[in-house]
Amino acid sequence: AQSVAQPEDQVNVAEGNPLTVKCTYSVSGNPYLFWYVQYPNRGLQFLLKYITGDNLVKGSYGFEAEFNKSQTSFHLKKPSALVSDSALYFCAVREFITGGGNKLTFGTGTQLKVEL
Amino acid sequence: DGGITQSPKYLFRKEGQNVTLSCEQNLNHDAMYWYRQDPGQGLRLIYYSQIVNDFQKGDIAEGYSVSREKKESFPLTVTSAQKNPTAFYLCASSRYGTGGSDEQYFGPGTRLTVT
Repeated sequence: AQSVAQPEDQVNVAEGNPLTVKCTYSVSGNPYLFWYVQYPNRGLQFLLKYITGDNLVKGSYGFEAEFNKSQTSFHLKKPSALVSDSALYFCAVREFITGGGNKLTFGTGTQLKVEL
Repeated sequence: DGGITQSPKYLFRKEGQNVTLSCEQNLNHDAMYWYRQDPGQGLRLIYYSQIVNDFQKGDIAEGYSVSREKKESFPLTVTSAQKNPTAFYLCASSRYGTGGSDEQYFGPGTRLTVT
């Protein structure tokens, strides 16, 4: 089965500093990887995805992610963090289901806290 | 939260009662999904539907039931058989149910508390 791991429950960073939220994956075949963000008591918002092509993927709100096949990682990054980026971030991998269809398997989430 | 609505936002029920959570989308998406979110566990898939009148069990379907009579609607019933129903429930949709690389769009969620 496909899986993703987010090794950090929480990441703290000062506003204006670069941020990285880590994700590693385990898949058979080519991975389809996603990042989502969740604000308190809200649904998830899509940030970006990697399907194929360039290893550096750019997404919403200035976020980007780097796909590294040799390290099986898909870390989320932003050059300069904002207090408003504070939220819960989820990495996910698409998994094909026997008989057709697909589903997303999510990591456990990383709480990002950006402080002044 | 796009074109997906979930109601109600908060729901309180007594143990032993069935409860139905609403999910409606106006995105013309084929596929719809129900997830359950518990603190520290990420999201877990309950049921999904690739097309109208078809649905499949996800990873934690026991104690839940769904229907997909219309493309835009995918209600979830939490039955009294669900051992630990208190959670945050999220509905999602995607353009295609099979193949594709499209992302899922999520509703705002329903927080269910059973006492």
